[in-house]
Amino acid sequence: AQSVTQPDIHITVSEGASLELRCNYSYGATPYLFWYVQSPGQGLQLLLKYFSGDTLVQGIKGFEAEFKRSQSSFNLRKPSVHWSDAAEYFCAVGLGTSGSRLTFGEGTQLTVNP
Amino acid sequence: GAVVSQHPSRVICKSGTSVKIECRSLDFQATTMFWYRQFPKQSLMLMATSNEGSKATYEQGVEKDKFLINHASLTLSTLTVTSAHPEDSSFYICSATSPGLNTEAFFGQGTRLTVV
Repeated sequence: AQSVTQPDIHITVSEGASLELRCNYSYGATPYLFWYVQSPGQGLQLLLKYFSGDTLVQGIKGFEAEFKRSQSSFNLRKPSVHWSDAAEYFCAVGLGTSGSRLTFGEGTQLTVNP
Repeated sequence: GAVVSQHPSRVICKSGTSVKIECRSLDFQATTMFWYRQFPKQSLMLMATSNEGSKATYEQGVEKDKFLINHASLTLSTLTVTSAHPEDSSFYICSATSPGLNTEAFFGQGTRLTVV
Protein backbone atom coordinates (compact mmCIF):
# COMPACT_ATOMS: atom_id res chain seq x y z
CA ALA A 1 0.00 0.00 0.00
CA GLN A 2 1.07 3.52 -0.62
CA SER A 3 2.41 5.61 2.24
CA VAL A 4 4.03 8.93 2.88
CA THR A 5 6.48 9.60 5.69
CA GLN A 6 7.56 12.93 7.02
CA PRO A 7 10.29 12.06 9.53
CA ASP A 8 10.36 15.44 11.26
CA ILE A 9 7.32 16.24 13.37
CA HIS A 10 8.56 19.66 14.37
CA ILE A 11 11.33 21.87 12.99
CA THR A 12 12.51 25.21 14.33
CA VAL A 13 14.60 27.56 12.24
CA SER A 14 15.69 31.16 12.54
CA GLU A 15 14.30 33.73 10.18
CA GLY A 16 16.56 34.03 7.18
CA ALA A 17 17.97 30.53 7.55
CA SER A 18 17.53 27.85 4.94
CA LEU A 19 14.92 25.14 5.30
CA GLU A 20 14.55 21.57 4.17
CA LEU A 21 11.52 19.44 5.02
CA ARG A 22 11.83 15.76 4.32
CA CYS A 23 9.31 13.53 2.63
CA ASN A 24 9.62 9.88 1.66
CA TYR A 25 6.99 7.88 -0.14
CA SER A 26 6.23 4.29 -0.85
CA TYR A 27 4.35 3.64 -4.06
CA GLY A 28 4.54 1.11 -6.82
CA ALA A 29 4.74 3.53 -9.69
CA THR A 30 5.88 7.07 -10.29
CA PRO A 31 3.51 9.03 -8.11
CA TYR A 32 1.99 12.42 -8.29
CA LEU A 33 3.63 14.35 -5.45
CA PHE A 34 2.44 17.45 -3.68
CA TRP A 35 3.42 19.79 -0.89
CA TYR A 36 0.70 21.70 0.95
CA VAL A 37 0.82 24.28 3.72
CA GLN A 38 -1.85 24.71 6.38
CA SER A 39 -2.20 27.59 8.79
CA PRO A 40 -4.06 26.92 12.09
CA GLY A 41 -7.74 26.23 11.54
CA GLN A 42 -7.44 26.77 7.83
CA GLY A 43 -7.66 24.70 4.70
CA LEU A 44 -4.73 23.66 2.55
CA GLN A 45 -2.76 25.73 0.12
CA LEU A 46 -0.81 24.03 -2.63
CA LEU A 47 2.86 24.98 -2.66
CA LEU A 48 3.99 22.85 -5.57
CA LYS A 49 3.46 19.57 -7.37
CA TYR A 50 5.37 17.03 -9.41
CA PHE A 51 3.88 14.85 -12.10
CA SER A 52 6.72 14.21 -14.52
CA GLY A 53 9.58 15.93 -16.30
CA ASP A 54 12.09 18.13 -14.55
CA THR A 55 12.72 16.69 -11.11
CA LEU A 56 13.32 20.10 -9.56
CA VAL A 57 10.00 21.82 -9.13
CA GLN A 58 9.48 25.48 -8.34
CA GLY A 59 6.50 26.54 -6.29
CA ILE A 60 4.94 29.57 -4.73
CA LYS A 61 6.42 31.68 -1.92
CA GLY A 62 9.98 30.79 -2.93
CA PHE A 63 9.66 27.06 -2.23
CA GLU A 64 11.11 24.31 -4.37
CA ALA A 65 11.21 20.55 -4.15
CA GLU A 66 13.29 17.85 -5.77
CA PHE A 67 12.01 14.44 -6.77
CA LYS A 68 14.62 11.74 -6.29
CA ARG A 69 13.37 8.42 -7.55
CA SER A 70 16.36 6.47 -6.22
CA GLN A 71 15.65 7.70 -2.70
CA SER A 72 11.85 7.77 -2.99
CA SER A 73 12.02 11.31 -1.69
CA PHE A 74 10.44 14.65 -2.44
CA ASN A 75 12.04 17.12 -0.04
CA LEU A 76 10.85 20.70 0.21
CA ARG A 77 13.38 23.52 0.40
CA LYS A 78 13.50 27.25 0.82
CA PRO A 79 16.75 29.22 0.85
CA SER A 80 15.62 31.90 3.30
CA VAL A 81 12.70 31.44 5.66
CA HIS A 82 10.35 34.28 6.59
CA TRP A 83 8.41 34.50 9.84
CA SER A 84 5.19 34.12 7.84
CA ASP A 85 6.29 30.65 6.75
CA ALA A 86 5.49 29.27 10.21
CA ALA A 87 2.75 26.69 9.61
CA GLU A 88 2.09 22.98 9.18
CA TYR A 89 3.47 21.41 6.00
CA PHE A 90 2.09 18.27 4.45
CA CYS A 91 3.58 16.09 1.76
CA ALA A 92 1.09 14.03 -0.22
CA VAL A 93 0.98 11.32 -2.83
CA GLY A 94 -1.74 11.46 -5.45
CA LEU A 95 -3.35 8.22 -6.45
CA GLY A 96 -5.72 7.06 -9.11
CA THR A 97 -5.76 7.94 -12.76
CA SER A 98 -6.16 11.60 -11.99
CA GLY A 99 -3.74 11.73 -9.10
CA SER A 100 -6.13 13.84 -7.06
CA ARG A 101 -7.00 11.24 -4.44
CA LEU A 102 -4.39 12.09 -1.83
CA THR A 103 -2.56 10.21 0.87
CA PHE A 104 -0.92 12.63 3.27
CA GLY A 105 2.14 12.40 5.43
CA GLU A 106 1.94 13.13 9.12
CA GLY A 107 2.92 16.73 8.67
CA THR A 108 5.82 18.86 9.86
CA GLN A 109 5.19 21.83 12.12
CA LEU A 110 7.54 24.68 11.27
CA THR A 111 8.39 27.30 13.88
CA VAL A 112 10.35 30.36 12.83
CA ASN A 113 12.34 32.23 15.44
CA PRO A 114 12.98 35.95 14.98
CA GLY B 1 -6.89 28.77 -9.30
CA ALA B 2 -10.27 27.16 -8.93
CA VAL B 3 -12.29 28.02 -5.84
CA VAL B 4 -13.93 25.59 -3.46
CA SER B 5 -16.17 26.89 -0.71
CA GLN B 6 -17.08 24.92 2.38
CA HIS B 7 -19.92 25.79 4.71
CA PRO B 8 -20.20 26.19 7.61
CA SER B 9 -16.70 26.95 8.79
CA ARG B 10 -17.62 26.08 12.36
CA VAL B 11 -20.54 24.21 13.84
CA ILE B 12 -21.44 23.02 17.29
CA CYS B 13 -24.13 20.41 17.69
CA LYS B 14 -25.58 18.29 20.45
CA SER B 15 -24.91 14.58 20.74
CA GLY B 16 -27.41 12.54 18.80
CA THR B 17 -28.21 15.20 16.25
CA SER B 18 -27.13 15.32 12.62
CA VAL B 19 -25.15 18.02 10.92
CA LYS B 20 -24.66 18.73 7.24
CA ILE B 21 -21.52 20.20 5.70
CA GLU B 22 -21.55 21.60 2.18
CA CYS B 23 -18.73 21.70 -0.32
CA ARG B 24 -19.21 23.82 -3.42
CA SER B 25 -17.07 24.38 -6.46
CA LEU B 26 -17.67 28.02 -7.35
CA ASP B 27 -16.09 28.41 -10.76
CA PHE B 28 -15.78 24.92 -12.19
CA GLN B 29 -17.71 21.70 -12.47
CA ALA B 30 -16.39 19.20 -9.98
CA THR B 31 -16.81 15.70 -11.32
CA THR B 32 -15.08 14.29 -8.27
CA MET B 33 -15.00 15.47 -4.68
CA PHE B 34 -13.08 14.07 -1.75
CA TRP B 35 -13.82 14.29 1.97
CA TYR B 36 -11.03 14.25 4.54
CA ARG B 37 -10.98 14.26 8.30
CA GLN B 38 -8.29 15.78 10.46
CA PHE B 39 -7.97 15.28 14.19
CA PRO B 40 -6.05 17.87 16.20
CA LYS B 41 -2.31 17.81 15.57
CA GLN B 42 -2.75 14.99 13.06
CA SER B 43 -2.73 14.49 9.34
CA LEU B 44 -5.63 14.40 6.94
CA MET B 45 -7.26 11.05 6.39
CA LEU B 46 -9.33 10.39 3.31
CA MET B 47 -12.85 9.37 4.23
CA ALA B 48 -14.53 8.97 0.88
CA THR B 49 -14.54 9.80 -2.78
CA SER B 50 -17.70 11.01 -4.45
CA ASN B 51 -18.39 11.21 -8.14
CA GLU B 52 -21.28 13.27 -9.40
CA GLY B 53 -24.40 11.20 -9.83
CA SER B 54 -23.09 8.02 -8.25
CA LYS B 55 -22.63 6.56 -4.81
CA ALA B 56 -19.61 7.56 -2.80
CA THR B 57 -16.72 5.19 -2.30
CA TYR B 58 -15.72 4.99 1.34
CA GLU B 59 -12.29 4.20 2.70
CA GLN B 60 -11.83 1.19 4.91
CA GLY B 61 -13.04 1.80 8.43
CA VAL B 62 -15.33 4.71 7.56
CA GLU B 63 -18.97 4.05 8.42
CA LYS B 64 -21.02 4.93 5.37
CA ASP B 65 -24.27 4.98 7.35
CA LYS B 66 -22.82 7.50 9.74
CA PHE B 67 -21.13 9.75 7.21
CA LEU B 68 -23.64 10.24 4.41
CA ILE B 69 -22.22 11.76 1.27
CA ASN B 70 -24.29 13.15 -1.55
CA HIS B 71 -22.90 14.55 -4.80
CA ALA B 72 -26.07 15.36 -6.66
CA SER B 73 -24.72 18.11 -8.85
CA LEU B 74 -21.46 19.10 -10.48
CA THR B 75 -20.98 21.95 -8.04
CA LEU B 76 -22.15 20.56 -4.71
CA SER B 77 -21.30 17.68 -2.43
CA THR B 78 -22.61 17.32 1.09
CA LEU B 79 -21.36 15.36 4.07
CA THR B 80 -23.93 14.60 6.75
CA VAL B 81 -22.69 13.36 10.09
CA THR B 82 -25.62 11.42 11.51
CA SER B 83 -26.27 10.84 15.20
CA ALA B 84 -23.13 12.75 16.06
CA HIS B 85 -21.09 11.91 19.12
CA PRO B 86 -18.23 13.78 20.79
CA GLU B 87 -15.71 11.48 19.13
CA ASP B 88 -16.91 12.79 15.76
CA SER B 89 -15.57 16.21 16.70
CA SER B 90 -12.94 16.96 14.11
CA PHE B 91 -11.91 19.18 11.23
CA TYR B 92 -13.54 18.09 7.98
CA ILE B 93 -12.10 19.26 4.66
CA CYS B 94 -13.30 18.68 1.15
CA SER B 95 -11.46 18.90 -2.12
CA ALA B 96 -12.76 18.97 -5.66
CA THR B 97 -11.36 18.29 -9.08
CA SER B 98 -12.35 17.84 -12.67
CA PRO B 99 -10.59 16.49 -15.77
CA GLY B 100 -9.74 19.97 -16.94
CA LEU B 101 -7.78 20.92 -13.83
CA ASN B 102 -4.53 19.16 -14.65
CA THR B 103 -4.85 16.61 -11.85
CA GLU B 104 -4.88 19.19 -9.09
CA ALA B 105 -7.58 19.00 -6.43
CA PHE B 106 -8.64 22.26 -4.80
CA PHE B 107 -9.45 22.37 -1.11
CA GLY B 108 -12.20 24.05 0.81
CA GLN B 109 -11.36 26.00 3.94
CA GLY B 110 -12.58 23.23 6.22
CA THR B 111 -15.31 22.83 8.82
CA ARG B 112 -14.60 22.57 12.52
CA LEU B 113 -17.25 20.28 14.04
CA THR B 114 -17.69 20.18 17.79
CA VAL B 115 -20.17 17.74 19.27
CA VAL B 116 -21.20 18.50 22.84
